[in-house]
Amino acid sequence: DARVTQTPRDKVTEMGQEVTMRCQPILGHNTVFWYRQTMKQGLELLAYFRNRAPLDDSGMPKDRFSAEMPDATLATLKIQPSEPRDSAVYFCASGSEGRELFFGEGSRLTVL
Amino acid sequence: KQEVTQIPAALSVPEGENLVLNCSFTDSAIYNLQWFRQDPGKGLTSLLLIQSSQREQTSGRLNASLDKSSGRSTLYIAASQPGDSATYLCAVHRGGGTSGSRLTFGEGTQLTVNP
Repeated sequence: DARVTQTPRDKVTEMGQEVTMRCQPILGHNTVFWYRQTMKQGLELLAYFRNRAPLDDSGMPKDRFSAEMPDATLATLKIQPSEPRDSAVYFCASGSEGRELFFGEGSRLTVL
Repeated sequence: KQEVTQIPAALSVPEGENLVLNCSFTDSAIYNLQWFRQDPGKGLTSLLLIQSSQREQTSGRLNASLDKSSGRSTLYIAASQPGDSATYLCAVHRGGGTSGSRLTFGEGTQLTVNP
Protein backbone atom coordinates (compact mmCIF):
# COMPACT_ATOMS: atom_id res chain seq x y z
CA ASP A 1 0.00 0.00 0.00
CA ALA A 2 1.94 3.02 -1.30
CA ARG A 3 1.81 6.09 0.89
CA VAL A 4 3.58 9.37 1.54
CA THR A 5 5.67 9.10 4.70
CA GLN A 6 6.51 12.10 6.86
CA THR A 7 8.79 12.46 9.85
CA PRO A 8 8.64 13.54 12.60
CA ARG A 9 4.93 13.22 13.36
CA ASP A 10 5.23 15.63 16.27
CA LYS A 11 7.93 18.12 17.12
CA VAL A 12 8.11 20.54 20.03
CA THR A 13 11.01 22.94 19.99
CA GLU A 14 12.07 26.27 21.36
CA MET A 15 12.17 29.50 19.44
CA GLY A 16 15.40 29.94 17.54
CA GLN A 17 16.06 26.25 17.04
CA GLU A 18 16.44 24.61 13.64
CA VAL A 19 13.69 22.25 12.53
CA THR A 20 13.92 19.78 9.67
CA MET A 21 10.93 17.87 8.37
CA ARG A 22 11.30 14.97 5.97
CA CYS A 23 9.06 13.42 3.39
CA GLN A 24 9.29 10.25 1.35
CA PRO A 25 7.01 10.59 -1.67
CA ILE A 26 5.30 7.67 -3.35
CA LEU A 27 7.67 5.88 -5.70
CA GLY A 28 7.13 6.99 -9.28
CA HIS A 29 5.47 10.31 -8.47
CA ASN A 30 7.19 13.26 -10.09
CA THR A 31 5.56 16.14 -8.18
CA VAL A 32 6.02 16.93 -4.50
CA PHE A 33 4.28 19.65 -2.54
CA TRP A 34 4.75 21.11 0.94
CA TYR A 35 1.65 22.60 2.55
CA ARG A 36 1.12 24.23 5.92
CA GLN A 37 -2.21 24.05 7.72
CA THR A 38 -3.39 26.32 10.51
CA MET A 39 -6.84 27.02 11.88
CA LYS A 40 -6.57 30.63 10.82
CA GLN A 41 -5.17 30.26 7.28
CA GLY A 42 -6.27 26.81 6.25
CA LEU A 43 -4.00 25.03 3.78
CA GLU A 44 -1.22 27.16 2.31
CA LEU A 45 1.17 26.02 -0.40
CA LEU A 46 4.78 26.51 0.65
CA ALA A 47 6.77 24.78 -2.08
CA TYR A 48 6.32 22.65 -5.17
CA PHE A 49 8.81 20.39 -6.93
CA ARG A 50 8.51 18.70 -10.29
CA ASN A 51 11.11 16.10 -11.20
CA ARG A 52 13.05 17.28 -8.12
CA ALA A 53 13.34 20.82 -9.46
CA PRO A 54 11.76 23.62 -7.41
CA LEU A 55 9.02 25.25 -9.47
CA ASP A 56 7.26 27.42 -6.96
CA ASP A 57 8.29 28.46 -3.47
CA SER A 58 6.57 31.83 -3.48
CA GLY A 59 4.47 30.87 -0.45
CA MET A 60 7.50 30.26 1.71
CA PRO A 61 9.22 32.87 3.90
CA LYS A 62 12.64 32.75 2.22
CA ASP A 63 14.58 34.24 5.09
CA ARG A 64 13.99 31.26 7.33
CA PHE A 65 12.47 28.45 5.28
CA SER A 66 14.18 26.25 2.72
CA ALA A 67 12.95 23.24 0.78
CA GLU A 68 15.05 20.72 -1.10
CA MET A 69 14.85 17.35 -2.84
CA PRO A 70 18.28 15.78 -2.55
CA ASP A 71 16.99 12.72 -4.38
CA ALA A 72 13.73 11.28 -5.71
CA THR A 73 12.97 9.51 -2.43
CA LEU A 74 13.44 12.43 -0.07
CA ALA A 75 12.08 15.95 0.26
CA THR A 76 13.05 18.20 3.16
CA LEU A 77 11.63 21.38 4.65
CA LYS A 78 13.89 23.27 7.00
CA ILE A 79 13.11 26.20 9.28
CA GLN A 80 16.02 28.13 10.75
CA PRO A 81 15.51 29.88 13.09
CA SER A 82 12.04 28.75 14.10
CA GLU A 83 9.49 31.15 15.58
CA PRO A 84 6.24 30.59 17.51
CA ARG A 85 4.22 31.71 14.47
CA ASP A 86 5.60 28.71 12.56
CA SER A 87 3.54 26.41 14.78
CA ALA A 88 1.30 24.46 12.41
CA VAL A 89 0.84 21.09 10.77
CA TYR A 90 3.09 20.66 7.75
CA PHE A 91 1.93 18.31 5.03
CA CYS A 92 3.84 16.75 2.20
CA ALA A 93 1.95 15.51 -0.84
CA SER A 94 3.02 13.72 -3.99
CA GLY A 95 1.45 12.89 -7.31
CA SER A 96 1.98 12.54 -11.01
CA GLU A 97 1.58 15.76 -12.96
CA GLY A 98 -2.08 16.71 -13.19
CA ARG A 99 -3.32 13.59 -11.45
CA GLU A 100 -4.58 12.64 -8.01
CA LEU A 101 -2.58 14.06 -5.14
CA PHE A 102 -1.74 11.95 -2.09
CA PHE A 103 -0.99 13.47 1.30
CA GLY A 104 1.13 12.29 4.19
CA GLU A 105 -0.11 12.26 7.77
CA GLY A 106 1.61 15.55 8.52
CA SER A 107 4.23 16.84 10.94
CA ARG A 108 2.78 18.81 13.84
CA LEU A 109 5.22 21.53 14.86
CA THR A 110 4.99 23.49 18.09
CA VAL A 111 7.49 26.29 18.64
CA LEU A 112 7.55 27.59 22.20
CA LYS B 1 -6.21 34.39 -8.81
CA GLN B 2 -8.28 31.28 -8.19
CA GLU B 3 -10.55 31.37 -5.16
CA VAL B 4 -12.40 28.34 -3.85
CA THR B 5 -15.39 28.62 -1.55
CA GLN B 6 -17.17 25.84 0.30
CA ILE B 7 -20.65 26.13 1.69
CA PRO B 8 -21.74 25.38 4.33
CA ALA B 9 -18.78 25.70 6.68
CA ALA B 10 -20.39 23.18 9.01
CA LEU B 11 -23.22 20.71 8.69
CA SER B 12 -24.87 18.41 11.21
CA VAL B 13 -27.28 15.71 10.03
CA PRO B 14 -28.94 12.60 11.46
CA GLU B 15 -27.67 9.23 10.36
CA GLY B 16 -29.18 7.93 7.13
CA GLU B 17 -29.75 11.31 5.55
CA ASN B 18 -28.56 12.10 2.04
CA LEU B 19 -26.56 15.31 1.85
CA VAL B 20 -24.82 17.66 -0.55
CA LEU B 21 -21.65 19.64 0.00
CA ASN B 22 -20.96 22.58 -2.28
CA CYS B 23 -17.78 23.96 -3.77
CA SER B 24 -17.46 26.98 -6.05
CA PHE B 25 -14.44 28.40 -7.83
CA THR B 26 -13.83 31.68 -9.60
CA ASP B 27 -11.63 30.65 -12.54
CA SER B 28 -13.19 28.00 -14.77
CA ALA B 29 -9.90 27.25 -16.54
CA ILE B 30 -9.16 24.24 -14.39
CA TYR B 31 -7.40 20.97 -15.09
CA ASN B 32 -9.30 18.88 -12.57
CA LEU B 33 -11.00 19.04 -9.19
CA GLN B 34 -10.34 16.78 -6.24
CA TRP B 35 -12.40 16.11 -3.12
CA PHE B 36 -10.61 15.17 0.09
CA ARG B 37 -11.63 14.04 3.53
CA GLN B 38 -9.69 15.01 6.65
CA ASP B 39 -10.20 13.39 10.03
CA PRO B 40 -9.02 15.28 13.16
CA GLY B 41 -5.25 15.07 13.57
CA LYS B 42 -4.84 13.25 10.29
CA GLY B 43 -3.76 13.97 6.76
CA LEU B 44 -6.00 14.43 3.75
CA THR B 45 -7.48 11.35 2.12
CA SER B 46 -8.38 11.60 -1.54
CA LEU B 47 -12.01 10.72 -2.23
CA LEU B 48 -12.67 11.55 -5.86
CA LEU B 49 -10.88 13.22 -8.74
CA ILE B 50 -12.88 14.73 -11.61
CA GLN B 51 -11.07 15.70 -14.77
CA SER B 52 -12.16 18.95 -16.43
CA SER B 53 -13.70 16.98 -19.30
CA GLN B 54 -15.88 14.91 -16.97
CA ARG B 55 -19.25 15.74 -15.46
CA GLU B 56 -19.21 13.37 -12.50
CA GLN B 57 -17.41 10.60 -10.66
CA THR B 58 -18.79 7.99 -8.31
CA SER B 59 -17.22 5.90 -5.59
CA GLY B 60 -19.51 3.85 -3.39
CA ARG B 61 -21.93 6.20 -1.59
CA LEU B 62 -20.12 9.26 -2.91
CA ASN B 63 -20.90 11.10 -6.11
CA ALA B 64 -19.09 14.24 -7.21
CA SER B 65 -20.28 16.46 -10.02
CA LEU B 66 -18.52 19.22 -11.90
CA ASP B 67 -19.96 22.14 -13.86
CA LYS B 68 -16.95 24.04 -15.14
CA SER B 69 -18.90 26.77 -16.87
CA SER B 70 -20.66 27.81 -13.69
CA GLY B 71 -17.63 27.16 -11.49
CA ARG B 72 -19.34 24.64 -9.25
CA SER B 73 -18.86 21.16 -7.88
CA THR B 74 -20.99 19.16 -5.48
CA LEU B 75 -20.22 16.13 -3.36
CA TYR B 76 -23.26 13.99 -2.72
CA ILE B 77 -23.14 11.52 0.17
CA ALA B 78 -25.90 8.93 0.22
CA ALA B 79 -27.22 7.29 3.38
CA SER B 80 -24.79 9.11 5.67
CA GLN B 81 -23.17 7.24 8.57
CA PRO B 82 -21.45 8.46 11.77
CA GLY B 83 -18.16 7.31 10.24
CA ASP B 84 -18.60 9.94 7.54
CA SER B 85 -18.04 12.66 10.15
CA ALA B 86 -14.97 14.61 9.04
CA THR B 87 -13.95 17.78 7.25
CA TYR B 88 -14.43 17.64 3.50
CA LEU B 89 -12.24 19.81 1.29
CA CYS B 90 -12.40 20.49 -2.39
CA ALA B 91 -9.32 21.52 -4.31
CA VAL B 92 -9.11 22.93 -7.79
CA HIS B 93 -6.13 22.01 -9.88
CA ARG B 94 -4.76 24.57 -12.27
CA GLY B 95 -3.14 23.11 -15.34
CA GLY B 96 0.57 22.68 -15.92
CA GLY B 97 2.86 24.83 -17.98
CA THR B 98 6.07 26.55 -17.04
CA SER B 99 4.77 27.58 -13.65
CA GLY B 100 3.67 24.07 -12.88
CA SER B 101 0.41 22.85 -11.50
CA ARG B 102 -1.00 23.57 -8.09
CA LEU B 103 -4.08 22.90 -6.01
CA THR B 104 -6.13 25.71 -4.53
CA PHE B 105 -8.10 24.51 -1.53
CA GLY B 106 -11.41 25.60 -0.12
CA GLU B 107 -11.70 26.03 3.62
CA GLY B 108 -13.69 22.86 4.03
CA THR B 109 -17.08 21.74 5.32
CA GLN B 110 -17.08 20.14 8.75
CA LEU B 111 -19.64 17.34 8.66
CA THR B 112 -21.12 15.69 11.73
CA VAL B 113 -23.41 12.70 11.30
CA ASN B 114 -25.35 11.97 14.47
CA PRO B 115 -26.32 8.39 15.37
